[in-house]
Amino acid sequence: AQKITQTQPGMFVQEKEAVTLDCTYDTSDQSYGLFWYKQPSSGEMIFLIYQGSYDEQNATEGRYSLNFQKARKSANLVISASQLGDSAMYFCAMRPYSGNTGKLIFGQGTTLQVKP
Amino acid sequence: NAGVTQTPKFQVLKTGQSMTLQCAQDMNHNSMYWYRQDPGMGLRLIYYSASEGTTDKGEVPNGYNVSRLNKREFSLRLESAAPSQTSVYFCASSAQGASTEAFFGQGTRLTVV
Repeated sequence: AQKITQTQPGMFVQEKEAVTLDCTYDTSDQSYGLFWYKQPSSGEMIFLIYQGSYDEQNATEGRYSLNFQKARKSANLVISASQLGDSAMYFCAMRPYSGNTGKLIFGQGTTLQVKP
Repeated sequence: NAGVTQTPKFQVLKTGQSMTLQCAQDMNHNSMYWYRQDPGMGLRLIYYSASEGTTDKGEVPNGYNVSRLNKREFSLRLESAAPSQTSVYFCASSAQGASTEAFFGQGTRLTVV
């Protein structure tokens, strides 16, 4: 069975500093995709970044980067130069690639608060 | 430019009542999902449809049924609502393939009293 674990229920970071949100996963599949989503207080789900299990380079999207350590089964999100608008809940998710029928499963989420 | 549309946005039900949550996407996606979000539990997959005509159970399917009416629409039905089904429900869709992100609806806040 697949499982995503986010062990940090809540995090604080000072504005303009970097922060790392942890994500570990468990799967027996060799091929899978890892995703991070942001959910602001308004409730919508916003896609941030994707990492494929066979990608050799860590994914980056603007201020977001993914610290992917395949052997440790971890896919931590790094937000550089935090902004007040980054205050939100963040979800890690995984989709195993099983003949195009992989289910997208999520972790419990981490609430990030950015302090001015 | 609608993306994924869910209806209704809010609903209050009495215990034992039934209702259907509607979801439609206009992105020609094969895969569609229903999740529930509860505090501290993240998003838990209720049901999943990999393509038109197929559905599969997720982590928490008990008390729910789904219908993939066509490629665009994926509905979630509560036959006999229970207070434990009070939650925020999200519908999502994605193109085929492990690398494709899911697009989400705005969510439905359901309260069962």
